[in-house]
Amino acid sequence: EADIYQTPRYLVIGTGKKITLECSQTMGHDKMYWYQQDPGMELHLIHYSYGVNSTEKGDLSSESTVSRIRTEHFPLTLESARPSHTSQYLCASTLGGELFFGEGSRLTVL
Amino acid sequence: AQKVTQAQTEISVVEKEDVTLDCVYETRDTTYYLFWYKQPPSGELVFLIRRNSFDEQNEISGRYSWNFQKSTSSFNFTITASQVVDSAVYFCALSDPGADGLTFGKGTHLIIQP
Repeated sequence: EADIYQTPRYLVIGTGKKITLECSQTMGHDKMYWYQQDPGMELHLIHYSYGVNSTEKGDLSSESTVSRIRTEHFPLTLESARPSHTSQYLCASTLGGELFFGEGSRLTVL
Repeated sequence: AQKVTQAQTEISVVEKEDVTLDCVYETRDTTYYLFWYKQPPSGELVFLIRRNSFDEQNEISGRYSWNFQKSTSSFNFTITASQVVDSAVYFCALSDPGADGLTFGKGTHLIIQP
């Protein structure tokens, strides 16, 4: 089993609030990713990191930001949540090509 | 640009039937990896298999089998004697050593009816 954890699993929040989705992995992987999954199922890469102090934007433009201060931690932040941010956010890490996914964070913005 | 196509949006079969999920991919690279993931209703993505582009041997794992055909750029997934617990969304994905992350197909929603 993969040791990658996401919190919160579910979050319902009002418009304009700042939220941070946490992602931690205990496998020592350098590469980490955030995917956004819309209700229509498709996954899109929104952020990735090669290691500490490395962050890059993915294929899908996102208003969220990420940071990578420690190898094991890759949080995603929305400064002002909007209903259009309602989605599932999946964190992943990799070593050697296989992606290990967390259980996801389902965000609902009212 | 890479692309993964899962043409079947939803498949519904009765329990114990065999079912095949199709996956067609596009890439210009000669070295790449193909994956299948399962996403049950709980939401997490569960890794099922990884296959590299140099290994065209088919693989069987219990009731699951995978047919990789480089000539047709396909990596199909078959479940034999399906069970209700197989109900989930299944994603095919493509990577290569230089890429960042995986390129996912849109997923196939598999419904196994009792």
